[in-house]
Amino acid sequence: EAGVAQSPRYKIIEKRQSVAFWCNPISGHATLYWYQQILGQGPKLLIQFQNNGVVDDSQLPKDRFSAERLKGVDSTLKIQPAKLEDSAVYLCASSAGQFYGYTFGSGTRLTVV
Amino acid sequence: DQQVKQNSPSLSVQEGRISILNCDYTNSMFDYFLWYKKYPAEGPTFLISISSIKDKNEDGRFTVFLNKSAKHLSLHIVPSQPGDSAVYFCAASKGGGSQGNLIFGKGTKLSVKP
Repeated sequence: EAGVAQSPRYKIIEKRQSVAFWCNPISGHATLYWYQQILGQGPKLLIQFQNNGVVDDSQLPKDRFSAERLKGVDSTLKIQPAKLEDSAVYLCASSAGQFYGYTFGSGTRLTVV
Repeated sequence: DQQVKQNSPSLSVQEGRISILNCDYTNSMFDYFLWYKKYPAEGPTFLISISSIKDKNEDGRFTVFLNKSAKHLSLHIVPSQPGDSAVYFCAASKGGGSQGNLIFGKGTKLSVKP
């Protein structure tokens, strides 16, 4: 079974620029998550999708972050404009169901300079 | 306000011995707990989980213990192997399963020395 695919692996941008991350979950997984992991911290949920609907986006900074899940499969996370404190690893995960652990992708490491 | 705490940033253990990683939580509504393992430049990998209706779950060399009254769980690895060297994250959720918002601790870096 193919894992969760994310791209790009690394991205360096200047503050106030925009950036987008892409995620392709495991085939058939209805639930998709975006997590932000700042260095030295545990991952923190940004947004959860069930198929193409948003279940939880309470911790998404909506003034600068946006996310969509196209046709209930792939997803993109966008930051516009980026701030220095957005430097982190952005992890995408998908899940087969309630009692299955998430499968995470390898993440995108964003550096904002 | 950190709801899931891993108070030991690092742990060093000799190969073949037991590794014990600890995790404390503050929210009594948590009813499902998971451990993830993370190698550098990779995403976290699910290791083992436990529901709040149990106090122990075992999978090969890995055992998770849950003490609800103390709001404490621990992961035991016996015997420890050099390949176990990684960062281990404890996570918790509400709602009876792993779906939904997982709250992660900051992680404990385990080093297993040959």
